[in-house]
Amino acid sequence: GAGVSQSPRYKVAKRGQDVALRCDPISGHVSLFWYQQALGQGPEFLTYFQNEAQLDKSGLPSDRFFAERPEGSVSTLKIQRTQQEDSAVYLCASTPGAGLSNYGYTFGSGTRLTVV
Amino acid sequence: AQSVTQPDIHITVSEGASLELRCNYSYGATPYLFWYVQSPGQGLQLLLKYFSGDTLVQGIKGFEAEFKRSQSSFNLRKPSVHWSDAAEYFCAVGAGNNDMRFGAGTRLTVKP
Repeated sequence: GAGVSQSPRYKVAKRGQDVALRCDPISGHVSLFWYQQALGQGPEFLTYFQNEAQLDKSGLPSDRFFAERPEGSVSTLKIQRTQQEDSAVYLCASTPGAGLSNYGYTFGSGTRLTVV
Repeated sequence: AQSVTQPDIHITVSEGASLELRCNYSYGATPYLFWYVQSPGQGLQLLLKYFSGDTLVQGIKGFEAEFKRSQSSFNLRKPSVHWSDAAEYFCAVGAGNNDMRFGAGTRLTVKP
């Protein structure tokens, strides 16, 4: 497609459940980013991939969070044993070049995760 | 590390009035600066960016921003606001690494 696609758009999980969020970046984009946006806040960086390599995961809040991009295209963010504080919108972004560049990022519409 | 402050949580302007949204950043060198807009339930759309050169940057939808190094600011402006501009606006700063930091956002309401 023409843009960054994320699925599902909405996810309700019971506390303790595992969830998987999918991101389809723009075809051919080298870099892929995950951000977490809590209600009323700006996005917070989680992790960054350059092709299939996860070059930065410093923003992942705990070892319950795991991200992968095995073939350098689609990425999955997995959250194990979800907690209420994980409730947020998870945004994916991609860009043609490596890392931050003058292209800016193209964001998907996000997945709104609600943990009950 | 770089950081961004957007002092105004919520701004209301009348349709047709001018707009200025404030953004202050903290970073030791010349930053990369961005403004994004987010409509409800949507992702972020890039309005404009500054990397180097002319400090007055033109963006989409009639927006512009001016980089002022002496004030560590990158304020967003629009001469005449339209009702469709109502949204959340985020300023962001990047430092040449993989980490782009966002401000907390300013919600814009447009009165008829």
